[in-house]
Amino acid sequence: GESVGLHLPTLSVQEGDNSIINCAYSNSASDYFIWYKQESGKGPQFIIDIRSNMDKRQGQRVTVLLNKTVKHLSLQIAATQPGDSAVYFCAENIGTGANNLFFGTGTRLTVIP
Amino acid sequence: ETGVTQSPTHLIKTRGQQVTLRCSSQSGHNTVSWYQQALGQGPQFIFQYYREEENGRGNFPPRFSGLQFPNYSSELNVNALELDDSALYLCASSLEHGNIQYFGAGTRLSVL
Repeated sequence: GESVGLHLPTLSVQEGDNSIINCAYSNSASDYFIWYKQESGKGPQFIIDIRSNMDKRQGQRVTVLLNKTVKHLSLQIAATQPGDSAVYFCAENIGTGANNLFFGTGTRLTVIP
Repeated sequence: ETGVTQSPTHLIKTRGQQVTLRCSSQSGHNTVSWYQQALGQGPQFIFQYYREEENGRGNFPPRFSGLQFPNYSSELNVNALELDDSALYLCASSLEHGNIQYFGAGTRLSVL
């Protein structure tokens, strides 16, 4: 059976479709946010970041949207590929000066070929 | 690859023992942070070292300690191991604190 702690939110998309992964952050004082991708057996891999003075930032095939009013962050992946299958984490820096990142639970993205 | 290397990749210890994990930061990075990642959860911040000094600590007991060396590599030491210390331990380096953190592949610690 499943172990406690493995009940990650999951998202399944067809290859070629767009994916949207959502994240609610906890602290209104957070000033910096990062999305990481973690594949099985690997450490988190930086995808894209955004500072609190921005609402949107685009990278290669990815876009991050920040809504400070409702403390919500989203990661949009265009034309999702099988290699995008992984667990995605949003992380916030609560601005204590130590740059300690607070990670969410993560979302498991599965791309169906 | 991020250029952050951790050793060993896997480790098995028994309860009460002590362990040392090692991390080499990416070239030019002077800040190293350590995280603990339990199965199915996000990483939790343990502490950060900036230019050989501790620069912030998460909610971990004193038996978790660390060092940073002049070449900016770092060690994480855990004394009196407990079963709940079983986890993936991640090291991340950054160019000055406040910048993007790049992670190593981690050390998988199992405490029996």
